[in-house]
Amino acid sequence: QVQLVQSGAEVKKPGASVKVSCKASGDTFISYTIYWVRQAPGQRLEWMAWINAGNGITTYSQRFQGRVTVTRDTSASTAYMELSSLRSEDTAVYYCATGAWGQHWGQGTLVYVSS
Amino acid sequence: DIVMTQTPLSLSVTPGQPASISCKSSQSLLHTDGKTYLFWYLQKPGQPPQLLIYEASNRFSGVPDRFSGSGSGTDFTLKISRVEAEDVGVYYCMQSLQLPSITFGQGTRLEIK
Repeated sequence: QVQLVQSGAEVKKPGASVKVSCKASGDTFISYTIYWVRQAPGQRLEWMAWINAGNGITTYSQRFQGRVTVTRDTSASTAYMELSSLRSEDTAVYYCATGAWGQHWGQGTLVYVSS
Repeated sequence: DIVMTQTPLSLSVTPGQPASISCKSSQSLLHTDGKTYLFWYLQKPGQPPQLLIYEASNRFSGVPDRFSGSGSGTDFTLKISRVEAEDVGVYYCMQSLQLPSITFGQGTRLEIK
């Protein structure tokens, strides 16, 4: 059974960066594509980026291009999502997910941006 | 981007009664490989989304058979034949036809009367 465990909640000031981790277990990490999705309060789910854990190739939503970077550490079976130049509108729960149909999700990481 | 529009945005259902949610896409979700890239998720309070239906009409492993998905092209429906208390949450449709742009509907909140 695939499990994704994310890092804990973060509080950040506007202009700062945040890096969220997503540790995978239960299958061969390099076989995964890890997706990053966020959910701002009262908003719909929003896809941000994904990374092929095997070859490291990344794909970004145009909306976040230039502000988001996804990486992975195969030795730690962990993927990372870094969002820079944070603003209050980036306050959201950030999820990682994987599986052919997005059937495995992490528990979510709350990022709160406030001065 | 493909725009996904769900209706209704909320519904209140008596246990044992059916429920239906519509999802319309701004363009056809039928891929040249013959698959339709439309998915349904349920997000229960305080939890991440969980997959219910993949490729428009296939029930995911472990999902009760009271859930069914149907539709084609741009019009899709999720049906719950007999709502139970545990079905409370927000239902989302999602398309992944137009990679890399994956988009979700705005969600439909189901509550129990």
